[in-house]
Amino acid sequence: QKEVEQNSGPLSVPEGAIASLNCTYSDRGSQSFFWYRQYSGKSPELIMFIYSNGDKEDGRFTAQLNKASQYVSLLIRDSQPSDSATYLCAVKGTGGFKTIFGAGTRLFVKA
Amino acid sequence: DAGVTQSPTHLIKTRGQQVTLRCSPKSGHDTVSWYQQALGQGPQFIFQYYEEEERQRGNFPDRFSGHQFPNYSSELNVNALLLGDSALYLCASSLGQIGNTIYFGEGSWLTVV
Repeated sequence: QKEVEQNSGPLSVPEGAIASLNCTYSDRGSQSFFWYRQYSGKSPELIMFIYSNGDKEDGRFTAQLNKASQYVSLLIRDSQPSDSATYLCAVKGTGGFKTIFGAGTRLFVKA
Repeated sequence: DAGVTQSPTHLIKTRGQQVTLRCSPKSGHDTVSWYQQALGQGPQFIFQYYEEEERQRGNFPDRFSGHQFPNYSSELNVNALLLGDSALYLCASSLGQIGNTIYFGEGSWLTVV
């Protein structure tokens, strides 16, 4: 079982729709959860982080965390073609030193 | 506010050679982590340096080594290069021994031929 699992996609949504990206993790003791966006040929950039169960909103982005189900998601409202990228879910596990990444989900937003 | 800087940006090496990649952390950060990202994969943790010591290491062979300097900058060294070492090498910095959020540099693209 991979430590952080994501559907590789591609996920294709029309412009203006809501994109929903999902992630599960194996370490039940994990405390910190992150979403990064990576454009082709570029390095990952932080979108947002979440530590507590529930929802956290930042502009068009909402992160959702359910520790009981070991599940993290990212919703992108009013998706734009510029949102087309690979989205990486990351988890800081028990012990707290390293951040572990999933393989990423490719998102395409069609104009 | 200076972000994470890495050098060189791109490089090509021959199998069996050695390479050194360099990283300066974001201003105010003292912890450096190195990742390897192969095409189509997520970043894989190589190791983390804090207070000039390797604090944690991922599943990488001893050919991968590193160093952190008193000014918090860091180097990643890879010996006896293999074709499979071709990847994007990412440096990430954070604050504190268990600082939560890591920020990436632009990366160093290594091609081994």
